[in-house]
Amino acid sequence: EAGVTQSPTHLIKTRGQQATLRCSPISGHTSVYWYQQALGLGLQFLLWYDEGEERNRGNFPPRFSGRQFPNYSSELNVNALELEDSALYLCASSWDTEAFFGQGTRLTVV
Amino acid sequence: ILNVEQSPQSLHVQEGDSTNFTCSFPSSNFYALHWYRWETAKSPEALFVMTLNGDEKKKGRISATLNTKEGYSYLYIKGSQPEDSATYLCALRSNDYKLSFGAGTTVTVRA
Repeated sequence: EAGVTQSPTHLIKTRGQQATLRCSPISGHTSVYWYQQALGLGLQFLLWYDEGEERNRGNFPPRFSGRQFPNYSSELNVNALELEDSALYLCASSWDTEAFFGQGTRLTVV
Repeated sequence: ILNVEQSPQSLHVQEGDSTNFTCSFPSSNFYALHWYRWETAKSPEALFVMTLNGDEKKKGRISATLNTKEGYSYLYIKGSQPEDSATYLCALRSNDYKLSFGAGTTVTVRA
């Protein structure tokens, strides 16, 4: 069974551009969580999607947005990139109690 | 998102010694408590999921306990080995299925 897959693994953008990160959950998982880990910080909750709807979002500005598609895959979009958006972005998928992570996307903003 | 706290933030332990650390969480709306091990350059790996007060889980030299009434969980590593070096994350799943992570405890095992 394939695990949670994220793409791309690395992404380099310049300040002001937009970044799109993708996550494919484990088959049968309907929930997708997005987290950010900036340098020196723990996992910060970004967004939670379930059954195609945004269920909750963390304390991030509106330029962080996303969506979940009918096949439960998800996109995270970051507009107007700032240098401090450089971080590892992790996606986790879940059904019932278990949650599993992807390998992450390393976003670098220059 | 609920406030999940882990302490200490980091610790160093000599190879062969045992250690433990804490995850604290609000006990209301509790559904499950997850522990993950996160090694550098890898994705977090699920260790345990605990749902009942008094639960104890064990995986090799690593074990965890859960107290849902007072809102804490302990993770124990017995006879630490260098391969135990990682960040250990706990996450609270509340009964509305939200998943809230602590900042992690980074364990460094010195040979």
